[in-house]
Amino acid sequence: SQTIHQWPATLVQPVGSPLSLECTVEGTSNPNLYWYRQAAGRGLQLLFYSVGIGQISSEVPQNLSASRPQDRQFILSSKKLLLSDSGFYLCAWEQGANSPLHFGNGTRLTVT
Amino acid sequence: GQQVMQIPQYQHVQEGEDFTTYCNSSTTLSNIQWYKQRPGGHPVFLIQLVKSGEVKKQKRLTFQFGEAKKNSSLHITATQTTDVGTYFCAGNTGGFKTIFGAGTRLFVKA
Repeated sequence: SQTIHQWPATLVQPVGSPLSLECTVEGTSNPNLYWYRQAAGRGLQLLFYSVGIGQISSEVPQNLSASRPQDRQFILSSKKLLLSDSGFYLCAWEQGANSPLHFGNGTRLTVT
Repeated sequence: GQQVMQIPQYQHVQEGEDFTTYCNSSTTLSNIQWYKQRPGGHPVFLIQLVKSGEVKKQKRLTFQFGEAKKNSSLHITATQTTDVGTYFCAGNTGGFKTIFGAGTRLFVKA
């Protein structure tokens, strides 16, 4: 069966520090991968998606970036965090366009 | 760009009362999905509707997709405390982007 791993679960980082969040999927190949961000009590904002190795589509211009170095690995990064980067970051995968999304457990990021 | 509006933002009900959340898209959708997020958790897929006018049921939950494929609803009959959480609709226009509504947070008082 397919599983998605996302880590760390929580993270507290100072403003201006770098960020690296990792997500891996097991039990499937060539999944579409997504990064969403959820502000407290709010909806899900699509940040990046990828349909293949090395391919990244950005939805929101900001100081975040994403990379997909391997088929089932998706990384969210920042060189310098802002206070506004705080939130709940969710990685998700789907097997083919228009399929249900399967989310990881998320990372709660607090920028102080 | 594509937008998915969802109302109400919050709903407080007494256990046993019914609950409905509504979703509207600015564009015609190829499908609509519904997710539930328990407090502190991540969204979990509930169901996907694809056909115009489609109605699907899961026990006490009834999902509808509008004839024009621009709106959808989720109705819960006789809510229970286990129904607490945020319900999201998510629309797709056929590409790779699934756009989520803002969600409806359901509170159930025992």
